[in-house]
Amino acid sequence: AQKITQTQPGMFVQEKEAVTLDCTYDTSDQSYGLFWYKQPSSGEMIFLIYQGSYDEQNATEGRYSLNFQKARKSANLVISASQLGDSAMYFCAMREGNRKLIWGLGTSLAVNP
Amino acid sequence: EAGVAQSPRYKIIEKRQSVAFWCNPISGHATLYWYQQILGQGPKLLIQFQNNGVVDDSQLPKDRFSAERLKGVDSTLKIQPAKLEDSAVYLCASARTSGGLSSYEQYFGPGTRLTVT
Repeated sequence: AQKITQTQPGMFVQEKEAVTLDCTYDTSDQSYGLFWYKQPSSGEMIFLIYQGSYDEQNATEGRYSLNFQKARKSANLVISASQLGDSAMYFCAMREGNRKLIWGLGTSLAVNP
Repeated sequence: EAGVAQSPRYKIIEKRQSVAFWCNPISGHATLYWYQQILGQGPKLLIQFQNNGVVDDSQLPKDRFSAERLKGVDSTLKIQPAKLEDSAVYLCASARTSGGLSSYEQYFGPGTRLTVT
């Protein structure tokens, strides 16, 4: 079974609008962490935001926020006020305990001017 | 602070040839990772080093792939002999620590795009 599911292969958003990228996860661990990374066409993976399973508040980093719904096992990324430079692949990943990161297949985001 | 350096950025080889990739992590980062990312997929961990020791190499095809991290700093990943299915981007990442669920980040290099013909 997929541990990390990103159901949106591709998304489009108009510049300056907000967009939500979906991520659901599957784990029986109580202690885990969720990550979002951005991968522009240049290929480099850029860390965006982290949410721990015990964190009560949703994580925020500038224009990025993580909508963490533990009961639903979802960790959606919200990008506010989209910019042209936000066009990239976005990956959701999970770490269970001290084990390695498990990655989703990614969502391609295109920001239209 | 300088980022993770990788070279070469691009490499084209024929099947059955050998190839090596180099990675220089961020200074002071004890943990180093090599990932393989096939087009359309997320990264797959090949090997993880803590200093110069191997923590996880369970997904490294050891019949053809090898990696080392001499002196706990730079690392090289080698493929010998290469197969067509090895065509991918090879990403190196480093982190300060590998323990716990603290929000440490893995810092990635620009990757090496390998094409095997």
